Amino acid sequence: EIVLTQSPATLSLSPGERATLSCRASQSVSSYLAWYQQKPGQAPRLLIYDASNGATGIPARFSGSGSGTDFTLTISSLEPEDFAVYYCQQRSNWPITFGQGTRLEIK
Amino acid sequence: EVQLLESGGGLVQPGGSLRLSCAASGFIFSSYAMSWVRQAPGKGLEWVSAISGSGGGTYYADSVKGRFTISRDNSKNTLYLQIDSLRAEDTAVYYCAKGSRASGTIRFDYWGQGTLVTVSS
Repeated sequence: EIVLTQSPATLSLSPGERATLSCRASQSVSSYLAWYQQKPGQAPRLLIYDASNGATGIPARFSGSGSGTDFTLTISSLEPEDFAVYYCQQRSNWPITFGQGTRLEIK
Repeated sequence: EVQLLESGGGLVQPGGSLRLSCAASGFIFSSYAMSWVRQAPGKGLEWVSAISGSGGGTYYADSVKGRFTISRDNSKNTLYLQIDSLRAEDTAVYYCAKGSRASGTIRFDYWGQGTLVTVSS
């Protein structure tokens, strides 16, 4: 099973700042990595797929990068609605796995 | 517009059974793999099971293998999860999620709002 480790567990920033979230895989997942956003009481929403492709309707301030074992989700300038929990997910191998999440909170 | 509507959750005793359903609309259901993902209270996301668009391929997390059965009825645009031998650790919100392609490993393009399963005596 591929283990995804996200860091930091919690990130405290202010609106307008840049956010950088990390996801590290225990073995290579090539570019088969996705990022999701989840707000309290809501279902997750796909943000980025295949490491760097923005999903439909996702604002341009969200971007993804990386390949192999190290991946980054960047939010260029935080909006109030961006404070949420973010998960990475790999689809390189079965079983599909998720990271444990990064909570992005308002400082 | 893609819509996924789960139903069937509820309170069940340990050892009991439930069948979850997910009614899909807004896309060609048989052309996409579907999956169940769960989230225990206050915890992260856990992939549970997936099924190919044709229904010919099924996949399970080790934690549920032998107790959960995924299926689909493409004539009714509905996904199912039969959950047997329920344990307290199965307590979670169960999400239905649309896969990105017909078969193989998938990302999840769309999610339902979830149905809560609570296992307690």
